[in-house]
Amino acid sequence: DIQMTHSPSSLSASVGDRVTITCRASQVISNSLAWYQQKPGKAPKLLLYAAFRLESGVPSRFIGSGSGTDFTLTISSLQPEDFATYYCQQYYGTPWTFGQGTKVEIQ
Amino acid sequence: QVQLVQSGAEVKKPGASVKVSCKASGYTFTGYYLHWVRQAPGQGLEWMGRINPYSGDTYYAQKFQGRVTMTRDTSISTAYMELNRLTSYDTAVYYCARPTSMVRSYFDLWGRGTLVTVSS
Repeated sequence: DIQMTHSPSSLSASVGDRVTITCRASQVISNSLAWYQQKPGKAPKLLLYAAFRLESGVPSRFIGSGSGTDFTLTISSLQPEDFATYYCQQYYGTPWTFGQGTKVEIQ
Repeated sequence: QVQLVQSGAEVKKPGASVKVSCKASGYTFTGYYLHWVRQAPGQGLEWMGRINPYSGDTYYAQKFQGRVTMTRDTSISTAYMELNRLTSYDTAVYYCARPTSMVRSYFDLWGRGTLVTVSS
């Protein structure tokens, strides 16, 4: 199975901060990576796919980059509604796997 | 509107089985795979398997092979996930999720989740 590893596992930040989350795959997955946002008690929400393509309706402050094994999700200016847990998911090979998540908390 | 509506929370004893349903509406049920993903309390997301609602073909994660069965009833646009021989490690929220297309495996539509609690 392809292992997906987030770093950091959690971070504290303030509104307006630029935040970067990293996801590393245990093998090359091309750009077959999606990012999700999950708030407590809610289902995940798709933010980006194909590493950098923004899902319809998602604010442009969410920026994805990377290819191969290393990927990043950047929130260019953190908003109050962005405090949540973020997960990456690879869909290059089965079984499809998720990272363990990065929790973004209010500083 | 386009949505997946899941069945309600369940409490089961160790060794029992649970069957969770996921009713699709607002789109062509047979036009998209339907996947199941679970999340243990405070943990990450774990993909369990998928079903092709058109053909009934299934593909399960190896971890769940022999213990999970995914089925569907096209007459009511509903998919089911049955998990057998439950243990406390199966306590989790179970989500059904639809990918963006038949050839993609990232998910833009999710059910609200069904909490399954396994406890003696």
